[in-house]
Amino acid sequence: DQQVKQNSPSLSVQEGRISILNCDYTNSMFDYFLWYKKYPAEGPTFLISISSIKDKNEDGRFTVFLNKSAKHLSLHIVPSQPGDSAVYFCAATTYSGGGADGLTFGKGTHLIIQP
Amino acid sequence: GAVVSQHPSWVICKSGTSVKIECRSLDFQATTMFWYRQFPKQSLMLMATSNEGSKATYEQGVEKDKFLINHASLTLSTLTVTSAHPEDSSFYICSARSGTGYNSPLHFGNGTRLTVT
Repeated sequence: DQQVKQNSPSLSVQEGRISILNCDYTNSMFDYFLWYKKYPAEGPTFLISISSIKDKNEDGRFTVFLNKSAKHLSLHIVPSQPGDSAVYFCAATTYSGGGADGLTFGKGTHLIIQP
Repeated sequence: GAVVSQHPSWVICKSGTSVKIECRSLDFQATTMFWYRQFPKQSLMLMATSNEGSKATYEQGVEKDKFLINHASLTLSTLTVTSAHPEDSSFYICSARSGTGYNSPLHFGNGTRLTVT
């Protein structure tokens, strides 16, 4: 039973346009969400996060939206650039004491930015 | 920024042998490190949480006797795949937090590609 779902294995977007990556989760205990970017043969790198007490977090070209009632979050990248081509993982965790929980990841979405 | 170094980046071993993977936090101390495994086109799956100075906590379905974890210092955790079999071939990634609290950054190593022949 996958608790974090990224239903689009791949997404192709033209350079300069907006990229929207979606993520759904089933575990209502999750209260902190993160997006990671991963290039081939490298480990994931942190991109942006959002706490369940917020519905939006923005950092430069990246904005994450959280809809708790729908258990859905999305990552918006605008404008999309060629260097954004990578696999994007959605991850979630629950707060517990010292924050020692690992993350539950989705399967990832391969974003391809076309020139 | 905080760096997590993982070694080796790839390894090929024969069935029945053991392989050790190291995960080091280079410029910060990590009381907790995490080990993940990724099959092709699948998500990263948490295998175990490594706690400095105590036993690792394994996720359900992960054999603790097969995947030995040792977190002997605040900067080093090791994962040993014992008596490896071809089905253990996978991409293993470690991560470590550079602070405390659930929103402290989680830094990942570059992963180890294990191929068991």
